[in-house]
Amino acid sequence: DGGITQSPKYLFRKEGQNVTLSCEQNLNHDAMYWYRQDPGQGLRLIYYSQIVNDFQKGDIAEGYSVSREKKESFPLTVTSAQKNPTAFYLCASGSGGDGYGYTFGSGTRLTVV
Amino acid sequence: RKEVEQDPGPFNVPEGATVAFNCTYSNSASQSFFWYRQDCRKEPKLLMSVYSSGNEDGRFTAQLNRASQYISLLIRDSKLSDSATYLCVVHMEYGNKLVFGAGTILRVKS
Repeated sequence: DGGITQSPKYLFRKEGQNVTLSCEQNLNHDAMYWYRQDPGQGLRLIYYSQIVNDFQKGDIAEGYSVSREKKESFPLTVTSAQKNPTAFYLCASGSGGDGYGYTFGSGTRLTVV
Repeated sequence: RKEVEQDPGPFNVPEGATVAFNCTYSNSASQSFFWYRQDCRKEPKLLMSVYSSGNEDGRFTAQLNRASQYISLLIRDSKLSDSATYLCVVHMEYGNKLVFGAGTILRVKS
């Protein structure tokens, strides 16, 4: 079945550590996105990529980094510079230029311990 | 001002009730509009697209008013399974990205 897979489902990070969240899709979508969701808030865009080897900052990119070396993969690194990383992270992919066909992964819940 | 604004609710309604959610967006250049549904601690899933002419999918009706920059969702004959957070979503052509409202919580009770 085609879909988008995020791992791990739960992740715990110590202060000062970098952690990487995985996002893989087999939908042949060109565009991929990372969103962050905090309680009581909508999804906020961190980074997005329209094509392999290219990506753009979203609204809250500070403290995060990404790469897009393969069409199927768009990993997100939460660096130690991100001061409040505890949140629900959602990866999505899309095919159309008009917003249709967005599919979300099941998310990674990151907690700082 | 937020790009997409929704009443957070919660809306507490009995089974069988009709409930309506509203949403406003600030960017008049927005091209496409959607309602997503998100269950607790799950990912959002597309519920329906929203067209200027209005569109219906079973018990759900969506309306768009471009002049007022206003989107609505009407749910008729509410079911317990409709309990969720409903996200108003706007597609920004520049950057080809979706902008999400904070969501409206619906609780349907028996």
